[in-house]
Amino acid sequence: NAGVTQTPKFRVLKTGQSMTLLCAQDMNHEYMYWYRQDPGMGLRLIHYSVGEGTTAKGEVPDGYNVSRLKKQNFLLGLESAAPSQTSVYFCASSYTLSNYGYTFGSGTRLTVV
Amino acid sequence: LAKTTQPISMDSYEGQEVNITCSHNNIATNDYITWYQQFPSQGPRFIIQGYKTKVTNEVASLFIPADRKSSTLSLPRVSLSDTAVYYCLVGLSGNTGKLIFGQGTTLQVKP
Repeated sequence: NAGVTQTPKFRVLKTGQSMTLLCAQDMNHEYMYWYRQDPGMGLRLIHYSVGEGTTAKGEVPDGYNVSRLKKQNFLLGLESAAPSQTSVYFCASSYTLSNYGYTFGSGTRLTVV
Repeated sequence: LAKTTQPISMDSYEGQEVNITCSHNNIATNDYITWYQQFPSQGPRFIIQGYKTKVTNEVASLFIPADRKSSTLSLPRVSLSDTAVYYCLVGLSGNTGKLIFGQGTTLQVKP
């Protein structure tokens, strides 16, 4: 019972490079989310998905793209990484719209130099 | 979406009871109050949720007064392992279920 799995756990990118963060959940959850967490900022929502094939913008979507081709996977892409995107990224999923049923992954620490 | 206000940080000692209060003056009639806990280098995890009066589980208690404009998370007899950030959330953003987090309360438990 893995829950929410994020890969990779750590990554260092050079400015301008691209990469994709993978989030996989095995709970058959309909809703999936990508957050970023910076010191003193709490968690901020980047993009989210309310079902397979759907995506929508959150609070801070600029510089990121997402895709949800399969229900269990939610990909976060950085096309041209910038130092401002240095952060810890968390993926989450939920079965319902209730605000208690969220399961978070363990995070990806990304550094852009 | 109801805005929440909670202390930025709190200190406590092992064995003490810790109470973290969250203000949410604009809570809507159908909003629930939910608390999440986040340990360093981990994602947040659900602790407790309530609508009114008192809710208790194996981890914490949640006290909600009749006017529901505030709530108090109570952690009995904390240990060093309770050192974490605690987030109070009220309601949902729109109808998509996406959580909106504030800065949370950093609880430091000392020996």
